[in-house]
Amino acid sequence: DIQMTQSPSSLSASVGDRVTITCQASQDISNHLNWYQQKPGKAPKLLIYDASNLETGVPSRFSGSGSGTDFTFTISSLQPEDIATYYCQQYGFTFGPGTKVDIK
Amino acid sequence: EVQLVESGGGLVQPGGSLRLSCVASGFTVSNNYMSWVRQAPGKGLEWVSVIYTGGNTYYADSVKGRFTISRDNSQNTLYLQMNSLRAEDTAVYYCARGSRGSSWSFDYWGQGILVTVSS
Repeated sequence: DIQMTQSPSSLSASVGDRVTITCQASQDISNHLNWYQQKPGKAPKLLIYDASNLETGVPSRFSGSGSGTDFTFTISSLQPEDIATYYCQQYGFTFGPGTKVDIK
Repeated sequence: EVQLVESGGGLVQPGGSLRLSCVASGFTVSNNYMSWVRQAPGKGLEWVSVIYTGGNTYYADSVKGRFTISRDNSQNTLYLQMNSLRAEDTAVYYCARGSRGSSWSFDYWGQGILVTVSS
């Protein structure tokens, strides 16, 4: 089975900061990687699919890149409404452990 | 408008059974792959099961042999039959619709339904 790791597990940043989260797969998954945002008490929301494609309606400050085993998720300018936990997910459905993002 | 509404959760004793339902509107369940994803209290997301458009089904090792995913095309509803429930099955269960792309993502999710397994 493919295992997913994420780092960091949590981070605090200031409004306007650039935030980067990494996700690593235990084997090559090409570009088959998705990113979700989950706010407390809410269902997850798809942000990025196929590693770098922005889901319809998602703000352009969110982006994704990578292929193979190493992937990156970036928020170019952190906003207060971005406070959430972010999960990567590979095409075999396994989710990463999540990264909790807070405002400093 | 696409909507997914789960029901059927609640408190059940260890070893008991429960059937979750997910009523879909705004699209046809049988035209999409559909999944159940769960989240134990304070924990991350765990994929549980998927049913593909052709009817093939797959399960996480943690529920294989105990849970069954199915759909009723006439009711446009997804189900999860959960048997031999254990304390570690306690979680919020989400149904989710398969999306576009090649990475088997989920673009619409239900609000989630809590299942508590306890004596």
